[in-house]
Amino acid sequence: AQSVTQLGSHVSVSEGALVLLRCNYSSSVPPYLFWYVQYPNQGLQLLLKYTTGATLVKGINGFEAEFKKSETSFHLTKPSAHMSDAAEYFCAVTSNDYKLSFGAGTTVTVRA
Amino acid sequence: SQTIHQWPVTLVQPVGSPLSLECTVEGTSNPNLYWYRQAAGRGLQLLFYSVGIGQISSEVPQNLSASRPQDRQFILSSKKLLLSDSGFYLCARRTGASNTGELFFGEGSRLTVL
Repeated sequence: AQSVTQLGSHVSVSEGALVLLRCNYSSSVPPYLFWYVQYPNQGLQLLLKYTTGATLVKGINGFEAEFKKSETSFHLTKPSAHMSDAAEYFCAVTSNDYKLSFGAGTTVTVRA
Repeated sequence: SQTIHQWPVTLVQPVGSPLSLECTVEGTSNPNLYWYRQAAGRGLQLLFYSVGIGQISSEVPQNLSASRPQDRQFILSSKKLLLSDSGFYLCARRTGASNTGELFFGEGSRLTVL
């Protein structure tokens, strides 16, 4: 079985500051990892994914994440926050079965 | 196209009433389909998934059921709603042919049980 833990249910950043959202995973086999974003009353949109290969993954809207096997982490970052980044973010993991397991989510607020 | 249609978009139902949420997928045939629920302040809970017509796997024993009468149709139902069934219901399909692909989500159906 696989699972993810997102550290921090709420993150508040100033516009232009670094965004860092933390995700740690647990998996008995090599994981496939994902970050999604959800805006109010909408479905989830894929930001980026890690399958195999390069451990630094670049996604949409300037986000990137780094897979660190030794730390079982897949933290999401963006160098400079924009007001439009205010949303809820979910980390997810699958291990080549039918299911994706999601974290509890982190809500990001951006201060002007 | 990976369009997923969910309806109704919003629904307010009394306790004890029945429920039917529909999800229709456009695109490739024989997709893996999923129902997730988001309750207020909680993450995504996988309710059901289906790998083909008539094949349903239930993740959480509860008041809900799912059916897949056609290849691209996935229905979530209840005979008698509970207050705890309130939430945001998301239908999703797996992209790609393998089990390592990401999920593509519909826009959701918001259910309020009063």
